[in-house]
Amino acid sequence: GENVEQHPSTLSVQEGDSAVIKCTYSDSASNYFPWYKQELGKGPQLIIDIRSNVGEKKDQRIAVTLNKTAKHFSLHITETQPEDSAVYFCAAKESGGYQKVTFGTGTKLQVIP
Amino acid sequence: EAQVTQNPRYLITVTGKKLTVTCSQNMNHEYMSWYRQDPGLGLRQIYYSMNVEVTDKGDVPEGYKVSRKEKRNFPLILESPSPNQTSLYFCASGSEGTTNEKLFFGSGTQLSVL
Repeated sequence: GENVEQHPSTLSVQEGDSAVIKCTYSDSASNYFPWYKQELGKGPQLIIDIRSNVGEKKDQRIAVTLNKTAKHFSLHITETQPEDSAVYFCAAKESGGYQKVTFGTGTKLQVIP
Repeated sequence: EAQVTQNPRYLITVTGKKLTVTCSQNMNHEYMSWYRQDPGLGLRQIYYSMNVEVTDKGDVPEGYKVSRKEKRNFPLILESPSPNQTSLYFCASGSEGTTNEKLFFGSGTQLSVL
């Protein structure tokens, strides 16, 4: 089955700096890669996703890159703000249908004002 | 407002006392799922349901039961809770048509089994 590894487990950055979270996956059939943000006391919320036919996707200060050959994908947050402090989860699955979603172990991001 | 509602938010119980955590979604989603979140282990799937009366095991189903009698509700049942089921539980529903992509999560249920 799919195995998703996520690094680092914790990350501290100064406000305004960039943050990068990296994930690797094992199943070459996976082609849908979402990222979820979990704020303190809340459930995870989808913030961005990418499919394997796209190498990069941006949404304002957030971007995700995908390298299918190397089986890794990354979340990039630029100009970090205190409200970006949260736990971030990457995930992978085969696109379409109800194939299993496999989550990474999470990265706790702290943005220091 | 589109949402997934879990109750209770916090629950403290004792070993062996049956409990139910309720989950309801108002988005007419076919797919619903339960996850548990433990430090260092991320989100692990307990059970999922692709539609009414269709349920299947996830990665960690032991000690749990579910039912899907109505499209909007997907309760999680612990018949005889044990301390190793102390965890943070999340219910989710899938918003992307007939897939489990773009999941909506509830706010979580923190369960402590003494």
